[in-house]
Amino acid sequence: DADVTQTPRNRITKTGKRIMLECSQTKGHDRMYWYRQDPGLGLRLIYYSFDVKDINKGEISDGYSVSRQAQAKFSLSLESAIPNQTALYFCATSDWGGEQFFGPGTRLTVL
Amino acid sequence: KQEVTQIPAALSVPEGENLVLNCSFTDSAIYNLQWFRQDPGKGLTSLLLIQSSQREQTSGRLNASLDKSSGRSTLYIAASQPGDSATYLCAVAGGADGLTFGKGTHLIIQP
Repeated sequence: DADVTQTPRNRITKTGKRIMLECSQTKGHDRMYWYRQDPGLGLRLIYYSFDVKDINKGEISDGYSVSRQAQAKFSLSLESAIPNQTALYFCATSDWGGEQFFGPGTRLTVL
Repeated sequence: KQEVTQIPAALSVPEGENLVLNCSFTDSAIYNLQWFRQDPGKGLTSLLLIQSSQREQTSGRLNASLDKSSGRSTLYIAASQPGDSATYLCAVAGGADGLTFGKGTHLIIQP
């Protein structure tokens, strides 16, 4: 089984809808991250968490929120989706200062 | 703000050639540097992690070097194969707050 899993893998939604992307990991890492990838812009950090009580904004957090339900689970929510949030979303984990491991990604399309 | 640049943006070479991918970053105060591979529509696979105190790391036909003072890293691929075709991403960690990515080098190995 994959160490970092993301659900759903693909999602099409409409403008204004609330949507949640979920991430789970079995690596036992404390640190978890959410990134988005856009053509021509590369990957950018949305939010990161050092543990269940520590949530931090990344470079592009506007329009997003997160929840760290447990050490192994980190969810990303779009409260009111808009078309420019169409992107490929990745979850990642790491131990302190170490190698980051990425999930397979969620392709989100907002119509 | 850290900026990561990868040159070239695209590269096409015949099978069997040795090749070098370049990565530069503007702030030398990094914690580590990581090279990834991404296949079309897929997630990121970690190739090599170099800690700031290290000069290079090797894995099979891959060798990554780091010159922190000059803000440069190279990924050397020996005896390239068609299966090496992918996008290669360089990313630096300034601390625990996630990675800053370059936009990648799209590599094609011609059979």
